[in-house]
Amino acid sequence: AQKITQTQPGMFVQEKEAVTLDCTYDTSDPSYGLFWYKQPSSGEMIFLIYQGSYDQQNATEGRYSLNFQKARKSANLVISASQLGDSAMYFCAMREGRVNAGNMLTFGGGTRLMVKP
Amino acid sequence: DTGVSQDPRHKITKRGQNVTFRCDPISEHNRLYWYRQTLGQGPEFLTYFQNEAQLEKSRLLSDRFSAERPKGSFSTLEIQRTEQGDSAMYLCASSSWTSGSPGGELFFGEGSRLTVL
Repeated sequence: AQKITQTQPGMFVQEKEAVTLDCTYDTSDPSYGLFWYKQPSSGEMIFLIYQGSYDQQNATEGRYSLNFQKARKSANLVISASQLGDSAMYFCAMREGRVNAGNMLTFGGGTRLMVKP
Repeated sequence: DTGVSQDPRHKITKRGQNVTFRCDPISEHNRLYWYRQTLGQGPEFLTYFQNEAQLEKSRLLSDRFSAERPKGSFSTLEIQRTEQGDSAMYLCASSSWTSGSPGGELFFGEGSRLTVL
């Protein structure tokens, strides 16, 4: 089974609107971490947001928030007030086990987001 | 620039030749990772160092691949007897685990793109 599944290969959103990128994960480890990265056409992977499995509240970082539903094993990224510069590939990733054991991440296949002016 | 730097950014080689990539992590980061990304896919974990110790190796890392981090600072990834299937982007990342980054998020370099003819 896929450990990280991103079911939306591509999405369009109108500038200034909010958009949700889906991510589901599969693990039996009670300790894990979930990450979202942005990869613009330049190729660099840019860290956006992190959620630990024991965190009680959903993570937020500026316009990014993570809708963490542990029972459903989903970690969707919400981008508010989309900007043209948000057009990029977005990857969801998971670390299984505790962070002090190292961050060997498993990535999903990505979602290409295109923001329309 | 205090980010992760990789060299060379692009390498074109003929099948059967050896290639070496270098990664200079963020100076205060003791953890270093190599990932491989093929076109249209998410990155795949190759190997992980904590200081100079190589602690994890993926099964993707065949015996033609070797990685070193001799003094716990920069790292090299060598591919011997390259094959066309080795064509990919090779990404280096570094991290540290501090109270300021409880998830120990990875900071990626811009990658080294390998093309094997």
